[in-house]
Amino acid sequence: DARVTQTPRHKVTEMGQEVTMRCQPILGHNTVFWYRQTMMQGLELLAYFRNRAPLDDSGMPKDRFSAEMPDATLATLKIQPSEPRDSAVYFCASGTSGTGPLETQYFGPGTRLLVL
Amino acid sequence: AQTVTQSQPEMSVQEAETVTLSCTYDTSESDYYLFWYKQPPSRQMILVIRQEAYKQQNATENRFSVNFQKAAKSFSLKISDSQLGDAAMYFCAYRSRGEYGNKLVFGAGTILRVKS
Repeated sequence: DARVTQTPRHKVTEMGQEVTMRCQPILGHNTVFWYRQTMMQGLELLAYFRNRAPLDDSGMPKDRFSAEMPDATLATLKIQPSEPRDSAVYFCASGTSGTGPLETQYFGPGTRLLVL
Repeated sequence: AQTVTQSQPEMSVQEAETVTLSCTYDTSESDYYLFWYKQPPSRQMILVIRQEAYKQQNATENRFSVNFQKAAKSFSLKISDSQLGDAAMYFCAYRSRGEYGNKLVFGAGTILRVKS
């Protein structure tokens, strides 16, 4: 049963610390998405990659957030320095780059981040 | 830009009865996909059902069906024979069909409570 995996599942850190979240997409998927969920903003897209290249990161605060795909099996989202307003659940999703009807995004379990 | 609106913050249904969750969207595109995702307390995002805009036939998945009204830009989810396990937050989502349109645009969500 192929799944998107995310680590860590929970993270509590202090303001100013660096936070790194990792995602392993489903094998064979070449598109990776990072979403953030908060009570105030709901689910919003931060960035997404296709074939490891960033396609859209307009939803991501550039001064403190960075997203990369070092290889096809790993995507990372970093926050440096972290702030209390970054507290949220961060989801990674993966899919294929097709545009047909079977194209679906599969979500990981999320990383729940709390910045004190 | 596309927007998705879920006007019901919360709904309740008696076990074994039927409930309908509403969703409207705004787009200038003629071809796109629509989805309903379920998010239980575990926070996992689970795909419930999807609809291709070019198909007139409403999608169904077991107890879940949609009423897709393209002209009205409406996409409601009907859950029949509601079960306790259906209690969750439900998100309606839109995706463009274009080459770079893989990202999902989510509504604010509807909390569904199921009473025994």
